[in-house]
This record gives sequence, C-alpha cells and structure tokens, in this order.
Amino acid sequence: GNSVTQMEGPVTLSEEAFLTINCTYTATGYPSLFWYVQYPGEGLQLLLKATKADDKGSNKGFEATYRKETTSFHLEKGSVQVSDSAVYFCALTLNAGGTSYGKLTFGQGTILTVHP
Amino acid sequence: DVKVTQSSRYLVKRTGEKVFLECVQDMDHENMFWYRQDPGLGLRLIYFSYDVKMKEKGDIPEGYSVSREKKERFSLILESASTNQTSMYLCASSLGNGGLAGTQYFGPGTRLTVL
Repeated sequence: GNSVTQMEGPVTLSEEAFLTINCTYTATGYPSLFWYVQYPGEGLQLLLKATKADDKGSNKGFEATYRKETTSFHLEKGSVQVSDSAVYFCALTLNAGGTSYGKLTFGQGTILTVHP
Repeated sequence: DVKVTQSSRYLVKRTGEKVFLECVQDMDHENMFWYRQDPGLGLRLIYFSYDVKMKEKGDIPEGYSVSREKKERFSLILESASTNQTSMYLCASSLGNGGLAGTQYFGPGTRLTVL
C-alpha cells in the first residue's frame, strides 16, 4: 500500500534558522507529492506540490524536490520566521488510473515552533 | 477563492447520540472528503465522494456514514457517538481526478467531544 513517513517532531527553532523536515514515501504507482500546512486554529492549506520526479515545488520561501531514487520529498526553508509556526503534513496521491479521485495519504504531521 | 465551510467549530455530544457534521463547498468540486485528525496519527480518511450520491469508504469508516444529496454538500453522520470518536473532523474538496485532484481545499474543522 501507500504510506508517508515524516520526521518525528516537534521541531523548535530560532528565527532565521534553517529548516528541514524529512519526508519519505512508499507508493505502488507514480505519485504526486504535496506539503500541506496547518496554522493554529485553521484547516490545512496547500503549501507546495510536485507531480513528477525531479520537480521542485516552492512557495513562501519553502522548497521541496521530488527525489524518486530516494523516495523522498524533504521540506526546506533557508530562514524561518515566527509566523511559520504550524503543523506541516507531507502527502501523496497517485497520478494514474481512473479511481484515484485525488485521495491523499498523509504523514503524521510535524509541529514546528519558531521562537523570536 | 475556494471556500469550504463546516457547520460547527466546536461540538459536544453524549454517548449514543446521533451526530451530523455538515460541509459545504462553493467551487463546484466533484470530490469531497471527510478526515479525522488525531495527534501523532495525522489525517485519516473516513469517507469520500466523487459525485452526487456516490460514496466510497476510506481507511476508517467504521461507526460513520455519509450523505451527498447535492454536489456542494457532504454530510458525515455518527450513528451512535462513542467516546473514541472524540476528535477533530476536517472536510475537504477537490476538482477532478488523478494527481491534480490532490490539491484539496480544507474547511476549518469541527472539534467534536463525546462525553
């Protein structure tokens, strides 16, 4: 089956520190990969995505590269801000086939806290 | 902007009650989803629907049912609430099929407490 594994949290950083949140996946087909973010008290929102190998998704200073050889999609940001404090979820959906309907398989989430 | 709304932000119910959670989206999306979110477990799919009156079980459908009578509305029903259904419930919608449909739009969530 399909699965997503994220690094254990919580992660606590000082403002302007470098962020990496690891994500690896197992999939039976050719997945699209996503990072979703959940700010306190809100639902999830899409942060970035990549639909094929070697694609790089980017948004709001965050980046992640789809690495098929290592089945990974690690999230990075060069300089985090207090406002980046949130829960980050890695997810996948299968591209091919008529019954995917965009069903997402999520990782367990990583809590990020950034201190001033 | 896509908007997904959920009927309540917080709900407190008693064991054995029938509970209805409502979700409405305003972007004519074909697909709608119900998840529950628990600490350390991420989001787990309960049910989803890819068209009106169509539904499919997700990973944890036991104790839940759903209804989709109109394209914009997807309801989650707890037939007889139990304490282990205390959780955050998130609704989402998306357009189409395949990889592009993985861009889901989420509501703010309903935190349900069953006493």
